Amino acid sequence: AQSVTQLDSHVSVSEGTPVLLRCNYSSSYSPSLFWYVQHPNKGLQLLLKYTSAATLVKGINGFEAEFKKSETSFHLTKPSAHMSDAAEYFCVVSGPTGGGNKLTFGTGTQLKVEL
Amino acid sequence: EPEVTQTPSHQVTQMGQEVILRCVPISNHLYFYWYRQILGQKVEFLVSFYNNEISEKSEIFDDQFSVERPDGSNFTLKIRSTKLEDSAMYFCASSVSGSSGNTIYFGEGSWLTVV
Repeated sequence: AQSVTQLDSHVSVSEGTPVLLRCNYSSSYSPSLFWYVQHPNKGLQLLLKYTSAATLVKGINGFEAEFKKSETSFHLTKPSAHMSDAAEYFCVVSGPTGGGNKLTFGTGTQLKVEL
Repeated sequence: EPEVTQTPSHQVTQMGQEVILRCVPISNHLYFYWYRQILGQKVEFLVSFYNNEISEKSEIFDDQFSVERPDGSNFTLKIRSTKLEDSAMYFCASSVSGSSGNTIYFGEGSWLTVV
């Protein structure tokens, strides 16, 4: 079984300050982990993914995440928030199934960016 | 950039009516999925489809749901007799392969409202 826990349902930052969105995972095998973003009235867009290569993963729009096995964490960070980063962010774990790749989503973190 | 497209973007239907949600996956992808997100809840896996058959389905995907690839491009989700609790955003997705870590690309969703 696999699961993810997003520790904060809402995060509010000022524009230009760092962003930290926290995620812990649980998996009975070596997981693949993703962050997806959902802007209002838009679909789910992949930000970045970890698949057992480098533990520090760089994604789009300046986001990155670090896989820490000892802490079972995959936190998402960005050095400087922009207004356009306001969206909902989902931490996702995937695992092989009988015939496809099944994603398990966290509950999401709503990021608010203020002037 | 290739994308998954979904129609309709929004549909309102009466309880008990049949609904078909349509999707065009990315053209060279072989695995197709439906996920749903009830308002305020997690994104949940419904079903995966490969080689013209269901490869895995969740407990949500009961007998009122069915999927079909009627031609070489479309992938549909049919809900036979809609219930109020079927109101949700339904996301179609596709991937090249079914291995863990392979990126799954999502469409923008079809918002279904059952009244």
